[in-house]
Amino acid sequence: DVQLVQSGAEVKKAGESLKISCKASGYTLGTNTFARYWIGWVRQMPGKGLEWMGVIYPGDSETRYSPSFQGQVTISVLKSISTAYLQWSSLKVSDTAMYFCVRVGLNRKSSYFDYWGHGTLVTVSS
Amino acid sequence: QSVLTQPPSASGTPGQRVSISCSGSPSNIGSNVLNWYQQLPGAAPKLVIYNNNQRPSGVPDRFSGSKSGTSGSLAISGLQSEDEADYYCAAWDDSLDEVLFGGGTKLTVL
Repeated sequence: DVQLVQSGAEVKKAGESLKISCKASGYTLGTNTFARYWIGWVRQMPGKGLEWMGVIYPGDSETRYSPSFQGQVTISVLKSISTAYLQWSSLKVSDTAMYFCVRVGLNRKSSYFDYWGHGTLVTVSS
Repeated sequence: QSVLTQPPSASGTPGQRVSISCSGSPSNIGSNVLNWYQQLPGAAPKLVIYNNNQRPSGVPDRFSGSKSGTSGSLAISGLQSEDEADYYCAAWDDSLDEVLFGGGTKLTVL
């Protein structure tokens, strides 16, 4: 079965850095398989809706960001361990949210997210 | 404010049919497929309709989707208490070069 397993909840202070992870399994036999599917990140602030943050292609690490998140976060991937990352260099209180990783599919210009991670709750205090 | 517009709430009694709309523009729904996600309380979202009207394996045939022009809808027939959740539409936007989600519709089963 395809699974996206995310790292655990984080409690941080404003100004600190953070890197959360999303490890894929079930379709990663041979790194080429993992590399074929784009991986994305979706934010959900407390009590709010879903927001698309950006995607990465594990095959060549090509990355695209939503304008709303460009420069605010960095998406990366380590193909050898089938893991994608989302990181902040300086957290803000407004970064408090649940973050989901998603498997996007073969085309980055897609809203088709067939598998979701369970989410990583990030809480940032002042 | 979301570029894809959904009603904030919908409701129905068990057994009824409910429909949730999603309105967009030519650059998103008008030129790309519409997908729908169900988010149960405390859980990650789950794909329930893709490519406008296709159901993933395991999704009951009570769920159906449609699209016409710059709008689409999700319909749930034979409503059950387990359908109580938030529902989101999503589409790629060619002008903004990003995925847009609707604001979400909270479905209550009375």
